[in-house]
Amino acid sequence: QSALTQPASVSGSPGQSITISCTGTSSDVGSYNLVSWYQQHPGKAPKLMIYEVSKRPSGVSNRFSGSKSGNTASLTISGLQAEDEADYYCCSYAGSVVFGGGTKLTVL
Amino acid sequence: EVQLVQSGAEVKKPGESLKISCKGSGYSFTSYWIGWVRQMPGKGLEWMGIIYPGDSDTRYSPSFQGQVTISADKSISTAYLQWSSLKASDTAMYYCARVSAAAGHAFDYWGQGTLVTVSS
Repeated sequence: QSALTQPASVSGSPGQSITISCTGTSSDVGSYNLVSWYQQHPGKAPKLMIYEVSKRPSGVSNRFSGSKSGNTASLTISGLQAEDEADYYCCSYAGSVVFGGGTKLTVL
Repeated sequence: EVQLVQSGAEVKKPGESLKISCKGSGYSFTSYWIGWVRQMPGKGLEWMGIIYPGDSDTRYSPSFQGQVTISADKSISTAYLQWSSLKASDTAMYYCARVSAAAGHAFDYWGQGTLVTVSS
């Protein structure tokens, strides 16, 4: 399985909204609603932010939302805050697991 | 409280063997898959494989099959990742993470990571 495709970087100003895309194939992202998103701050372990495309674990801010259309999943962060600056990874489960290459979010 | 606590950083020479660990607590260790994820310096996350401690059923990513061995000892709630002959290219941070079927097979809890450095 090839890695899912994410933009290398995105940026936004505090208070704005940004969207990170994650493109797979009809064999992974397109076939199953088993897409998750992880936030990773420098030197820290990843943290689950979204599972099953659009569900938030307890404790995750409702500023984070997920969606999917066809073979592309998306993570949207609204009301950007400085603390959102991190790397974000999408992940698809389709019998086996594949991660995206990661997107560095910069809050300007 | 669910916790995954990994063993400490390792510095090894090429050709040496290594086994790192991940101890789970705060939940039924035998009822959840545990996965291992590699992160090379400055790079992204790579799925290596998973194990179900209840019966030691193990699945490997094709990229890591034959390169590492994943095992578990359910009596002490610990999963392992081991190498028989390390290479410099194995230098990376390694994370264990719990797989939640209830959360669409997402990794809902993560260990703190074990940094493995392989250098002559």
